[in-house]
Amino acid sequence: GAVVSQHPSWVICKSGTSVKIECRSLDFQATTMFWYRQFPKQSLMLMATSNEGSKATYEQGVEKDKFLINHASLTLSTLTVTSAHPEDSSFYICSGWGENSPLHFGNGTRLTVT
Amino acid sequence: AQKVTQAQTEISVVEKEDVTLDCVYETRDTTYYLFWYKQPPSGELVFLIRRNSFDEQNEISGRYSWNFQKSTSSFNFTITASQVVDSAVYFCALLNTGGFKTIFGAGTRLFVKA
Repeated sequence: GAVVSQHPSWVICKSGTSVKIECRSLDFQATTMFWYRQFPKQSLMLMATSNEGSKATYEQGVEKDKFLINHASLTLSTLTVTSAHPEDSSFYICSGWGENSPLHFGNGTRLTVT
Repeated sequence: AQKVTQAQTEISVVEKEDVTLDCVYETRDTTYYLFWYKQPPSGELVFLIRRNSFDEQNEISGRYSWNFQKSTSSFNFTITASQVVDSAVYFCALLNTGGFKTIFGAGTRLFVKA
């Protein structure tokens, strides 16, 4: 079945540095990628929606300059957390949507900013 | 407004009991998709089912069954003869094709005791 590969699965970085998370659709073309954030014991909160070749649409309250999303191809989207701070520590998950795709999710990236 | 409500925060059952997880949604779109996902303690999201708004047929997959009722905007999930391995958080989600964004319910944490 369709698979979305997300990496890294976990990352620890120092405050002020940037971290890039990659999400690849392995056997389908993801015309749309969704990026979510999940705090412990909470639900997934949609951060942004990106369509291939277009600028991402960010949800209210999500800083577009801090969370840079690129969706340059139908199989790859990236989320870059710029100048990360401890409050950015969270679980980040991507999901890809394509024709006949059931909206598969990556396995998530646990970011810890020290 | 788009909204997904999972009123049950936690459910605890004994193995072999049947359990139903409720999901009520709100949307103005006529075309939309509904999903159920399982999130075990390891954190990944496991796809269980997708339903589009034009398909109200109930579905059964092994011990899992889903009841989609557009009249009451509900998409309930039943696990028959629950097992300890069913213990996880279960999320119901809505994808609107109009604005094209995904909304998750708060999740229901299911504990199945041996």
